[in-house]
Amino acid sequence: DVKVTQSSRYLVKRTGEKVFLECVQDMDHENMFWYRQDPGLGLRLIYFSYDVKMKEKGDIPEGYSVSREKKERFSLILESASTNQTSMYLCASSVWTGQETQYFGPGTRLLVL
Amino acid sequence: EDKVVQSPLSLVVHEGDTVTLNCSYEVTNFRSLLWYKQEKKAPTFLFMLTSSGIEKKSGRLSSILDKKELFSILNITATQTGDSAVYLCAPYNTDKLIFGTGTRLQVFP
Repeated sequence: DVKVTQSSRYLVKRTGEKVFLECVQDMDHENMFWYRQDPGLGLRLIYFSYDVKMKEKGDIPEGYSVSREKKERFSLILESASTNQTSMYLCASSVWTGQETQYFGPGTRLLVL
Repeated sequence: EDKVVQSPLSLVVHEGDTVTLNCSYEVTNFRSLLWYKQEKKAPTFLFMLTSSGIEKKSGRLSSILDKKELFSILNITATQTGDSAVYLCAPYNTDKLIFGTGTRLQVFP
């Protein structure tokens, strides 16, 4: 079974703090993705990565950066958290480009005060 | 701009009812369409559809794609309370999934 894990289930941070969300997958998948999910807006793609050290902007990259130093790990960074970044963050992975099925982690619910 | 519309937004039924969830899309370089079920946390994969008119079935769930009219439906027969979830439709273009906002299904005993 594919396993995608995220470092925290719930996180509370203050405005201006730097926030790291970590995602690890154990199936040697090439592709990894970060989404945020908000009521009425669905899942929106923030960034994705096709390979180590490679990253591509998704639909809403502003205010975020990512890091992929190892194949199994994809980090989402909020350089200076703001209240409008309060959301559920979901990480996903897929085998390779063109392999559509994505496997999701359990999500991190982030509250920025 | 790519667009995915799911309807209805929300559905409340009783156990044993049959429901149909709709997904219409306008996506450039369309390759396939995926359905996910999301309960409290991570979306879990249900179906991937690539060809028009071929029904995919898994137990009480089935789904079909119409690439000419640009829509897909997800049917659930004899619903159970465990079917209560948000159902997400996601067309795939060349490199990413584009998610709809989902249909929230609530099944009451």
